[in-house]
Amino acid sequence: AQSVTQLGSHVSVSEGALVLLRCNYSSSVPPYLFWYVQYPNQGLQLLLKYTTGATLVKGINGFEAEFKKSETSFHLTKPSAHMSDAAEYFCAVRYSGGGADGLTFGKGTHLIIQP
Amino acid sequence: DTAVSQTPKYLVTQMGNDKSIKCEQNLGHDTMYWYKQDSKKFLKIMFSYNNKELIINETVPNRFSPKSPDKAHLNLHINSLELGDSAVYFCASSQDDNEQFFGPGTRLTVL
Repeated sequence: AQSVTQLGSHVSVSEGALVLLRCNYSSSVPPYLFWYVQYPNQGLQLLLKYTTGATLVKGINGFEAEFKKSETSFHLTKPSAHMSDAAEYFCAVRYSGGGADGLTFGKGTHLIIQP
Repeated sequence: DTAVSQTPKYLVTQMGNDKSIKCEQNLGHDTMYWYKQDSKKFLKIMFSYNNKELIINETVPNRFSPKSPDKAHLNLHINSLELGDSAVYFCASSQDDNEQFFGPGTRLTVL
């Protein structure tokens, strides 16, 4: 069985400050990891993904994440927050070959950007 | 040209009614999904379907049933609606082991 834990249901940062959203996973087989963003009243948009290869993954809107197997983590970062980054962020996992099983999501982190 | 579309966007109905939500994808993907997002924004897989098999999350009541008229469509039928069915329902699609593309969601309110 696989699971995802996102630490902090709400994270507040100042505009221009570092954004760090934490995600830890549990999986008995090598995982595929994803970060999605959801703006109010909209669907989910893929920010970035890790499947194999380079453990530092760059995504859209200046976000990146690093897969650390030893820590079972896939934390999302952005060097400088922008007001438009305010949204709900979801970490998700599935395993290779498990596409038909769907994604297992964390509970989400609401990112608040203070001016 | 929307990749994954859903209709309707909003659905308000009475308890006990039967309703359907439609989903279409124009990406040529093999697998489609339905997710439920509850009031706390928690997302949970309900079904996944390709032309070979239907995988049902064991927690989904049998009042919910997916129907796929063709590879590009996966509709969700819900019988005897209950208050607890109120949620946002998302359709998604993917090809092989790649990422899933989500639709805009359907907000279902059961009165």
